[in-house]
Amino acid sequence: EPEVTQTPSHQVTQMGQEVILRCVPISNHLYFYWYRQILGQKVEFLVSFYNNEISEKSEIFDDQFSVERPDGSNFTLKIRSTKLEDSAMYFCASKGTAYYGYTFGSGTRLTVV
Amino acid sequence: AQRVTQPEKLLSVFKGAPVELKCNYSYSGSPELFWYVQYSRQRLQLLLRHISRESIKGFTADLNKGETSFHLKKPFAQEEDSAMYYCALNNAGNMLTFGGGTRLMVKP
Repeated sequence: EPEVTQTPSHQVTQMGQEVILRCVPISNHLYFYWYRQILGQKVEFLVSFYNNEISEKSEIFDDQFSVERPDGSNFTLKIRSTKLEDSAMYFCASKGTAYYGYTFGSGTRLTVV
Repeated sequence: AQRVTQPEKLLSVFKGAPVELKCNYSYSGSPELFWYVQYSRQRLQLLLRHISRESIKGFTADLNKGETSFHLKKPFAQEEDSAMYYCALNNAGNMLTFGGGTRLMVKP
């Protein structure tokens, strides 16, 4: 069964540093997403991406965040200057059409120290 | 604004007992609802979609628009059902809103 792949599985970074979280969605999917889950809290939507542009974003997704699909396979989330409160599990997801369920990656645990 | 509520953070049952994980939602449009499961240290996996009306691993869920609920049920719980379960609502803008999750523990 096709999978969404995320790398790295765990990243530790110093406050103020830039991080890039990488995702390889399922190859024929068209919609791409980032979600995050702070420890002990619910999974929260960050951003959706379709047709090479952001289609929706939450209030969490401020100017420190950006997404990119640099080639036909990767989908990245960049945090420009990390804060302690950015520490969370970040999940990438994709889906093929508007009517399919989402397929999630296994997540990247980001720890900001 | 849309919201998904899972009132129980933890549900503990014995093997063979019936299970019901509650989910209530608020949404002004026509909802599309899902149940996701997360086994220990694994990814979120789609368990059920309300529009497919299928049974996966013995679980079923019925959308009740009058009560704005989408409870997940299984008549006989198994130990391997122990996991975190998330109810989620998809809005017309193609965004999932998750409930807080319910940890199901099935004791032998």
